[in-house]
Amino acid sequence: QVQLQESGPGLVKPSETLSLTCTVSGGSIRSHYWSWVRQPPGKGLEWIGYIYFTGSTNYNPSLKSRVTISVDTSKNQFSLNLRSVAAADTAVYYCARGGGELRYWGLGTLVTVSS
Amino acid sequence: DIQMTQSPSSLSASVGDRVTITCQASQDITNHLNWYQQKPGKAPELLIYDASNLETGVPSRFSGSGSGTDFTITINSLQPEDIATYYCQQDDNLPYTFGQGTKLEIK
Repeated sequence: QVQLQESGPGLVKPSETLSLTCTVSGGSIRSHYWSWVRQPPGKGLEWIGYIYFTGSTNYNPSLKSRVTISVDTSKNQFSLNLRSVAAADTAVYYCARGGGELRYWGLGTLVTVSS
Repeated sequence: DIQMTQSPSSLSASVGDRVTITCQASQDITNHLNWYQQKPGKAPELLIYDASNLETGVPSRFSGSGSGTDFTITINSLQPEDIATYYCQQDDNLPYTFGQGTKLEIK
């Protein structure tokens, strides 16, 4: 069974960079798309972007200028960097397998942006 | 961006009821519509993909239908464990977008 686990700081200061890693177990990161989705507290889901195992990416235009998603196939991991964060970026961040339909999800990690 | 509008935003029903949630896309997305269930404090789970295909392991009381711009998810014989928020998502056009969610409660 494929499992995903997000890791990274739970607190980030305004204007700094949010960095999260998703570790995939129970399957190879190859031959799949991998996504990031976020959910502000008490609100709905927002698609951030996805990466193919080859490194090809697509991002939500609303975040495109600040987002980078990368993949490390040797570690079976993919990562999210979100630059110049503000309070509005406070959310639970999920990693998931898939580009469109998201079949496997991590448990999610709450990232709070605060000084 | 394609806007996804769900209705109702919240819904209260009794155990055993048949429940229907609708999702409307702002433009034609053919059948590129997925439904997710999210229980409190948990990650979303894929229930239905491509509008009407039941994900493996999902109870058969769940079903999906629709094409173009109008879609529905139906729960036949609501069970207590179905209490959750339901989201539709289109993956026809980038950026992929979700509906605002429908919170389902037991009456």
